[in-house]
Amino acid sequence: GAGVSQSPSNKVTEKGKDVELRCDPISGHTALYWYRQSLGQGLEFLIYFQGNSAPDKSGLPSDRFSAERTGGSVSTLTIQRTQQEDSAVYLCASSLITSGSGDTQYFGPGTRLTVL
Amino acid sequence: GDSVTQMEGPVTLSEEAFLTINCTYTATGYPSLFWYVQYPGEGLQLLLKATKADDKGSNKGFEATYRKETTSFHLEKGSVQVSDSAVYFCALPSSGGSYIPTFGRGTSLIVHP
Repeated sequence: GAGVSQSPSNKVTEKGKDVELRCDPISGHTALYWYRQSLGQGLEFLIYFQGNSAPDKSGLPSDRFSAERTGGSVSTLTIQRTQQEDSAVYLCASSLITSGSGDTQYFGPGTRLTVL
Repeated sequence: GDSVTQMEGPVTLSEEAFLTINCTYTATGYPSLFWYVQYPGEGLQLLLKATKADDKGSNKGFEATYRKETTSFHLEKGSVQVSDSAVYFCALPSSGGSYIPTFGRGTSLIVHP
C-alpha cells in the first residue's frame, strides 16, 4: 500500500518568505508527527497530532512555525518569514496508536528546505 | 525524562567487517526499543524492534538484544555490506502518557568495498 508522502521534495526560498510543506500520512493512521533534521544532526520533534485531540506543539521552535491537520488526514507545516537557520530536512511520520507498548512510525522521504 | 544515548559516528568499516553500534537508554518502566535506518536521501524506516527484556530483534542480518540489566540495545551485524551504509537511530517509543518517541542522535555507518 501507499506509504507516507511529502511535497515538495525540495524547496528553495528567499529569507523572509513563507513556505508550506505538505504531508499525506498512511490511510487510517491516527497519529501524525513533524520532525526537523538539520545537517548532521538527529531528529528534532516539532508537533504531534492524534485524532481530533488538540495537537502537542511543544517542539515548535518559534511562533513562526505552525501546523494544521485537516479531516484527520493531510497535514501542512507552515513557516512564516523564513530564516536561514530554518534550512533543514523536514520529516513527517504517521503511526497507528494502539494501547500497546510501542508503535512503529512510518516516515515520509522528507522535504529539503533551503533558505537563501 | 526518557533519553537515548548512541555512540558517535561516523563508523567506517571495510566490507565483511563486524559491526556494533552501542545504544543505552533511560526510561520509566520497560518500554519497547527500536532501531531505525535512514538511507541517503530517504526518510527513516524501521529496521528491528524488541518489545520486552531479553527479546532479540532481527532483520536483514542485523540483531539487537534488549538488556534490562544494562539498559542497552546494541545493534550488531556479523558481516556488513556497502549497501548497509546509512544512518542508524536507536529509539524509545512514547511512555508515561506521552506519544512522543525519543530518538538517539544517529550513528553514520560508512562501508568501503
